[in-house]
Amino acid sequence: GEDVEQSLFLSVREGDSSVINCTYTDSSSTYLYWYKQEPGAGLQLLTYIFSNMDMKQDQRLTVLLNKKDKHLSLRIADTQTGDSAIYFCAESIQGYSTLTFGKGTMLLVSP
Amino acid sequence: DVKVTQSSRYLVKRTGEKVFLECVQDMDHENMFWYRQDPGLGLRLIYFSYDVKMKEKGDIPEGYSVSREKKERFSLILESASTNQTSMYLCASMEAGGPQETQYFGPGTRLLVL
Repeated sequence: GEDVEQSLFLSVREGDSSVINCTYTDSSSTYLYWYKQEPGAGLQLLTYIFSNMDMKQDQRLTVLLNKKDKHLSLRIADTQTGDSAIYFCAESIQGYSTLTFGKGTMLLVSP
Repeated sequence: DVKVTQSSRYLVKRTGEKVFLECVQDMDHENMFWYRQDPGLGLRLIYFSYDVKMKEKGDIPEGYSVSREKKERFSLILESASTNQTSMYLCASMEAGGPQETQYFGPGTRLLVL
C-alpha cells in the first residue's frame, strides 16, 4: 500500500529558507501536493506538481521532485513568521479519487 | 473560488449521543470526503462519496456513517458518540477527473465528546 512520510518538526529563523521533505512509496503517483494548515483552520492547497515534472516554482515556493528516490521537497524562500503552520505532503494516483497524506511537518518560524 | 463550509467550528457532546456533522460545497463537485485529524496521526480518511447516494469506506469507518442525499451536502454521523471520537473533523470536496484532482477543505469541526 501507499505510504507518505514526513519529518514532524522544523524550526527556522525569519528570513532563512525552509526545506520540508517528504518521501512516498507508490510509483504510480499522478500528482503530489503540498497543503498548509494554519492553527485552528482547515487545509489550504499551496501547490502541486505533476509526476512527470522535476520542479515547479511559484513565487517563494519551489517544489522539487526526485522520482527515482520518490522524494518530494518544498522550499520556502525568505521564510516569514506567517509561514508558521503545519505542512502536509499528499499523493494521488490516477483513477482513484482519494489522497494519501503524510502526518504533517510543523514549521516554526522565529523572529 | 471553491467554498466548503462545515456546520459547526466547535461542538461538545456527551457519550452516547447521536452527532451530525454537516458539510456543504458550492462548486458542484462529485467527490466529497470526511477525514479526522489527530496529533501525530495526520489525516485519516473516514468515508468518501463519489456521487449522490454513493459512499465508500475509507481507512477508519468504524463508529461512523455518512449520508449524501444531495450533491452539495455530505453528512457524517456518529451513531453513539464515544470519547475516542474526540477529534478535529475535516470535510473536503473535489471535482471528478479534474486536471489536478485537488481537494478543497472546509475549516474543520473540533468535536469534544465528554
